[in-house]
Amino acid sequence: GQNIDQPTEMTATEGAIVQINCTYQTSGFNGLFWYQQHAGEAPTFLSYNVLDGLEEKGRFSSFLSRSKGYSYLLLKELQMKDSASYLCAATDSNYQLIWGAGTKLIIKP
Amino acid sequence: DTAVSQTPKYLVTQMGNDKSIKCEQNLGHDTMYWYKQDSKKFLKIMFSYNNKELIINETVPNRFSPKSPDKAHLNLHINSLELGDSAVYFCASSPEAREWTYEQYFGPGTRLTVT
Repeated sequence: GQNIDQPTEMTATEGAIVQINCTYQTSGFNGLFWYQQHAGEAPTFLSYNVLDGLEEKGRFSSFLSRSKGYSYLLLKELQMKDSASYLCAATDSNYQLIWGAGTKLIIKP
Repeated sequence: DTAVSQTPKYLVTQMGNDKSIKCEQNLGHDTMYWYKQDSKKFLKIMFSYNNKELIINETVPNRFSPKSPDKAHLNLHINSLELGDSAVYFCASSPEAREWTYEQYFGPGTRLTVT
């Protein structure tokens, strides 16, 4: 079956670094997305990885290992506004995204 | 100049009623989607249309019927509403469903509460 696993909740301190892991199992694979969703709002795009390795975008980086079915989102210099859910989604061969349940990130001062 | 808009934002109704949610995108995208996000926060694809043609139709009750009058609009009609239909419904769009690299742009969501 198709499956995305990510931790339900994580807590980190303002100014610190946090890594949110995601493992996936899909029929066919054509890339992995990370989205951010603040409470009561719509998901917004953060990153896309299709090749192995690290993609860096300012304070946020995303890593992919296709052989391991694994990705992580790295957030540096955490700010209070980074408190949100982070959704991992993998593409399958059927033109759709398979979504994880999201990781709720709580930032403490 | 909202990219993806949905109406209404909140919808409270009784079991057995029929309701519609409207979605419009002004991004010129070819593909639109309907998602359901339940209380556990899983985003579940319901339907996808590419240029007014249905391309994804997941296993949802046939009480749910999408309609795409043109590629900028994708409406969702729900008949005989049930308690389990309570959720947030998101509309989204992307340039082309078969291009994996394209991100999806989400509307603000419609919070449906069935009493």
